[in-house]
Amino acid sequence: DQQVKQNSPSLSVQEGRISILNCDYTNSMFDYFLWYKKYPAEGPTFLISISSIKDKNEDGRFTVFLNKSAKHLSLHIVPSQPGDSAVYFCAALLIGDYKLSFGAGTTVTVRA
Amino acid sequence: IAGITQAPTSQILAAGRRMTLRCTQDMRHNAMYWYRQDLGLGLRLIHYSNTAGTTGKGEVPDGYSVSRANTDDFPLTLASAVPSQTSVYFCASGDLSGRAYSGTDTQYFGPGTRLTVL
Repeated sequence: DQQVKQNSPSLSVQEGRISILNCDYTNSMFDYFLWYKKYPAEGPTFLISISSIKDKNEDGRFTVFLNKSAKHLSLHIVPSQPGDSAVYFCAALLIGDYKLSFGAGTTVTVRA
Repeated sequence: IAGITQAPTSQILAAGRRMTLRCTQDMRHNAMYWYRQDLGLGLRLIHYSNTAGTTGKGEVPDGYSVSRANTDDFPLTLASAVPSQTSVYFCASGDLSGRAYSGTDTQYFGPGTRLTVL
């Protein structure tokens, strides 16, 4: 059973507006959560991460929010740009295990 | 070479045939991984290796084997391909040097191999 779930397979947003991607997990022992971005015909690339002891991490236009009690995290992209159109994967990590558990991915389309 | 490379880029294979997907990294990472990406299922770990000479099973190892003879290479073999192994395969590498995880350490992915088994 998947420990990391992204229940929205796709998201369409207008350029300049906010994109919010959601991710839920079942294992409360995860130490880190990571977001990867993937363009067609390329491998995923690391975008941003958050420690389980934090509730927010910000890097430029990207912010990750973590709600441990709800076992939920979200990625905010503000403002959305056409180059943000990609598949976004949520992943979780147990320190010492170092094997990432991935969600199914959310395809973001930014409309001009 | 810069980063992580995979070969072939794509392959069409008859069921029952043997196939080896190649993966090479030049970052001297000690850990390497093989994933398959399927629609609606995301990336699922097939096999991994924490260091040269050791391998382990991931989430979906059946029908696949790996070897790790040296730091740089991590081939994935399908001994007798079946149509359900049609997928996009990604190799990744990462540095598990034993230092405290910083949160920005990550796995670096290759460009993928698209495999179709008929």
